[in-house]
Amino acid sequence: KAGVTQTPRYLIKTRGQQVTLSCSPISGHRSVSWYQQTPGQGLQFLFEYFSETQRNKGNFPGRFSGRQFSNSRSEMNVSTLELGDSALYLCASSLATSGGGTQYFGPGTRLTVL
Amino acid sequence: AQSVTQPDIHITVSEGASLELRCNYSYGATPYLFWYVQSPGQGLQLLLKYFSGDTLVQGIKGFEAEFKRSQSSFNLRKPSVHWSDAAEYFCAVGDTGRRALTFGSGTRLQVQP
Repeated sequence: KAGVTQTPRYLIKTRGQQVTLSCSPISGHRSVSWYQQTPGQGLQFLFEYFSETQRNKGNFPGRFSGRQFSNSRSEMNVSTLELGDSALYLCASSLATSGGGTQYFGPGTRLTVL
Repeated sequence: AQSVTQPDIHITVSEGASLELRCNYSYGATPYLFWYVQSPGQGLQLLLKYFSGDTLVQGIKGFEAEFKRSQSSFNLRKPSVHWSDAAEYFCAVGDTGRRALTFGSGTRLQVQP
């Protein structure tokens, strides 16, 4: 089976712009979670989608949003970019419907905000 | 709230030596525990996981971890380290009600020839 794929792998944006990142989960996985990784804050949970519904949300401002499509592919959007949004954004997919389901990560999208 | 502590930011071991990476968690019920590894510029690869049952779990690449409820620990071990094991290792705890992992700050492993 193909793993989790994320596009694009690298992005450079300027402050104030918005950006959309895409994630395709492992075939058959219906849960997609997003994480932000920075040197200062480490790995932090952004949100999780299951069957096109946001199930859980981390402690991030409303500029961070996401959605999931009927084929389980997910996108996350960051509006009005700030320098501090520069990070590696990781997507993970999970098969299980229970909370303990194993999450499998993609390679990430490296976002640089200038 | 759940939390994970990895007390060692950076560890250096010689190739062929044994390895133990420490992980302590805080969680109210029986936790779901994971170890992931990340090579530079890459995503996270799952090494092993603990949900229930046998407290000693085996993973990929020769790694194992032991769940000790009394010590709230889930330490990762490998009997003989290879140069290719150099990477950053993350311990994580999963919430039974939410698919949101809480990660430790990571331990960077350097392997000396």
